Amino acid sequence: SQTIHQWPATLVQPVGSPLSLECTVEGTSNPNLYWYRQAAGRGLQLLFYSVGIGQISSEVPQNLSASRPQDRQFILSSKKLLLSDSGFYLCAWTDVGTGADTQYFGPGTRLTVL
Amino acid sequence: ILNVEQSPQSLHVQEGDSTNFTCSFPSSNFYALHWYRWETAKSPEALFVMTLNGDEKKKGRISATLNTKEGYSYLYIKGSQPEDSATYLCALYSGGGADGLTFGKGTHLIIQP
Repeated sequence: SQTIHQWPATLVQPVGSPLSLECTVEGTSNPNLYWYRQAAGRGLQLLFYSVGIGQISSEVPQNLSASRPQDRQFILSSKKLLLSDSGFYLCAWTDVGTGADTQYFGPGTRLTVL
Repeated sequence: ILNVEQSPQSLHVQEGDSTNFTCSFPSSNFYALHWYRWETAKSPEALFVMTLNGDEKKKGRISATLNTKEGYSYLYIKGSQPEDSATYLCALYSGGGADGLTFGKGTHLIIQP
């Protein structure tokens, strides 16, 4: 069966510090991978998606970036965090196919930028 | 930017009562509608994926209907139980290959014993 992992589970970082969040998927190959964020008072917002190694599409301009160095690994990064980067970050995967496929979410990372 | 609206924002329901809530979306951008349940400290859990106008899906005491022409979906919970307490999210997929989902803000459901 497939599982999705995210770490760390919680993170408190000062403004201006770098960020690296990691997501890995097990039990499937060549998944579509997604990063979402839920900021306070807002719905889940798609940040990035990837259809393969090295292929990243960005939905929202921001100071975050994503990378996919391996088939089942998805990394969210920032060189300098802003207060507005605080939120709950979810990674998700789906089989390659249509948008009618269920997306499966990881446990999330709670990021607080102070 | 797609606008997916959910109402109400929060809902208190007595245990044993039935309830329903709404997801509205632009009908011109429809490809698929997803419903998720998100319990505190857990990952969002998929409930339904709906693609056809008039579709109705059921999972235990939870069911959903879809009207793509007028752009809304209803989620129904029959005989609410405390374990139904969660945030219920709907999300629109508007086509375009691997594009992600556009989520509403959710309906926060609290079942009172």
